[in-house]
Amino acid sequence: DTAVSQTPKYLVTQMGNDKSIKCEQNLGHDTMYWYKQDSKKFLKIMFSYNNKELIINETVPNRFSPKSPDKAHLNLHINSLELGDSAVYFCASSQGMRQGGNTIYFGEGSWLTVV
Amino acid sequence: AQTVTQSQPEMSVQEAETVTLSCTYDTSESDYYLFWYKQPPSRQMILVIRQEAYKQQNATENRFSVNFQKAAKSFSLKISDSQLGDAAMYFCAYRSGPGAGNNRKLIWGLGTSLAVNP
Repeated sequence: DTAVSQTPKYLVTQMGNDKSIKCEQNLGHDTMYWYKQDSKKFLKIMFSYNNKELIINETVPNRFSPKSPDKAHLNLHINSLELGDSAVYFCASSQGMRQGGNTIYFGEGSWLTVV
Repeated sequence: AQTVTQSQPEMSVQEAETVTLSCTYDTSESDYYLFWYKQPPSRQMILVIRQEAYKQQNATENRFSVNFQKAAKSFSLKISDSQLGDAAMYFCAYRSGPGAGNNRKLIWGLGTSLAVNP
């Protein structure tokens, strides 16, 4: 019963390709996130959605496009992949502000390697 | 802006012993939350423990406990009876309270790599 699940867990692809990572949470949360963790293990938030509305959009290349079909899903699409996109991408979720949601729960991560 | 500092990049402990990981933070807010996350080699990010700033009592989860010193802005993690499975990177994180708005982020420390020696 994985609370935040993301697929695929591992992805190896060539430069220039387009790929997507899917994320689903079954916690009933209405806020979801994408984080990127580079080789130095520094975690950086990329996007956050609350009830399908984009609320955090950090400075990331516009090759990265999140899509939230509903509040339980937040997918990440990456166009024209570059070597520097190689990282572990984490999906996460939390309750919204009104519900006092303060703890962010993470998925298992998706290891993306661009060759 | 809030910052989180973990001054120990690496630490080690003998199995069954106790170890304390340090974390300090800087904020002007009075309402916030503090977290310790564990990241084993599998890279999964696991919540270990959380502390609400308005609570004076230190949080405890089984072998994990914190020493929360609000005035000193210190939030250390104590792991008792260390086990081999505790070996991981440990991240301290800060999050503003709900009054800060819906776009409040997790502010991360750089992590402490903990080795557990048999």
